[in-house]
Amino acid sequence: DVKVTQSSRYLVKRTGEKVFLECVQDMDHENMFWYRQDPGLGLRLIYFSYDVKMKEKGDIPEGYSVSREKKERFSLILESASTNQTSMYLCASQKPVPVNEQFFGPGTRLTVL
Amino acid sequence: QQQVKQSPQSLIVQKGGISIINCAYENTAFDYFPWYQQFPGKGPALLIAIRPDVSEKKEGRFTISFNKSAKQFSLHIMDSQPGDSATYFCAAFKTSGSRLTFGEGTQLTVNP
Repeated sequence: DVKVTQSSRYLVKRTGEKVFLECVQDMDHENMFWYRQDPGLGLRLIYFSYDVKMKEKGDIPEGYSVSREKKERFSLILESASTNQTSMYLCASQKPVPVNEQFFGPGTRLTVL
Repeated sequence: QQQVKQSPQSLIVQKGGISIINCAYENTAFDYFPWYQQFPGKGPALLIAIRPDVSEKKEGRFTISFNKSAKQFSLHIMDSQPGDSATYFCAAFKTSGSRLTFGEGTQLTVNP
């Protein structure tokens, strides 16, 4: 059974803190993604990665960075957390073309105070 | 720039009724259109998908209707059940870009 796991389900941080969100997949997928989910805005792509040490900006990369040192692990970093980064963060990995299916983790609910 | 627009934002249906969620896209380069279903506390999961060379795809009670000329597609849930209560996202994929663009989501509630 395919699995994407995220390091925390709930996280509370203070403004200005550096925040790490970890994602691990066990499907040997090359493509991995970080989204944030906000009511009425759907899933917005923050960053994605096609391979180890490769990264591409998504639609809303400002205030975020990523790291992919191993194929199975993709980390999202908030360099200096702000209250407008309070959100649900979802990680996904993707089967290769032509199937294209994305498998999502359960999400991390981040609150920045 | 929202390339995939989804409506309605929320939908309440009685058990046994038909639920219909609509999406419209702008980019004609999209070549794969999936729908994802998300239950509370879970990540989205693929429900059903269609490619633009067919006008309809049916899997059990779930049907996608696709209108290429209008750049619209919709999800129909027949005989809706309380267990279908979830958030539904349409999406569009461009093979050359290898990324999904999601709609805003529809929160479906099916009353017993």
